[in-house]
Amino acid sequence: DGGITQSPKYLFRKEGQNVTLSCEQNLNHDAMYWYRQDPGQGLRLIYYSQIVNDFQKGDIAEGYSVSREKKESFPLTVTSAQKNPTAFYLCASSIARAEAFFGQGTRLTVV
Amino acid sequence: KQEVTQIPAALSVPEGENLVLNCSFTDSAIYNLQWFRQDPGKGLTSLLLIQSSQREQTSGRLNASLDKSSGRSTLYIAASQPGDSATYLCAPEGGEKLTFGTGTRLTIIP
Repeated sequence: DGGITQSPKYLFRKEGQNVTLSCEQNLNHDAMYWYRQDPGQGLRLIYYSQIVNDFQKGDIAEGYSVSREKKESFPLTVTSAQKNPTAFYLCASSIARAEAFFGQGTRLTVV
Repeated sequence: KQEVTQIPAALSVPEGENLVLNCSFTDSAIYNLQWFRQDPGKGLTSLLLIQSSQREQTSGRLNASLDKSSGRSTLYIAASQPGDSATYLCAPEGGEKLTFGTGTRLTIIP
């Protein structure tokens, strides 16, 4: 089955801890994206990557980091510098200027 | 900076009715516009993609139109069903990324 796999589905973070969200795709897409969704707000772009070993900051990159070492993988690390990390995180991929596909999301909660 | 507005924010209609969801955007320099649906607690499912050179795109009971010059798109749903209940999001693509509105939460009453 082709698609985008996000893991874990639920994640709990203690104060001051870094956590990493996984995103893997087998669609052979060049572009990958991370979005954050909060209740009552639209999706906001955190980071995106158009090609391996290159990525750009989105609108709300502070407190987050990413890597793109393989075409299939685009992990997102939520660092301790992110003061309000509780949210629903969505990963997407696409071929440039074509249909984008999303994973099922990871719900991160600070405990 | 692209801004996307979706009206209404919420809509409830009886089953079987036809309905229209509206999307407006401020920057007309887009490559395409995509409509998605999102069920509670789930990811986004792509419904339709309209390229900037197109005026309309259809898939089953769904029809999306795009007027790039005026910054507007509409999603028409024919003969609505309870399974259509979800949040609908539009997202124009420009500058290598999608920009999202806050969506329209649709409830179909059986």
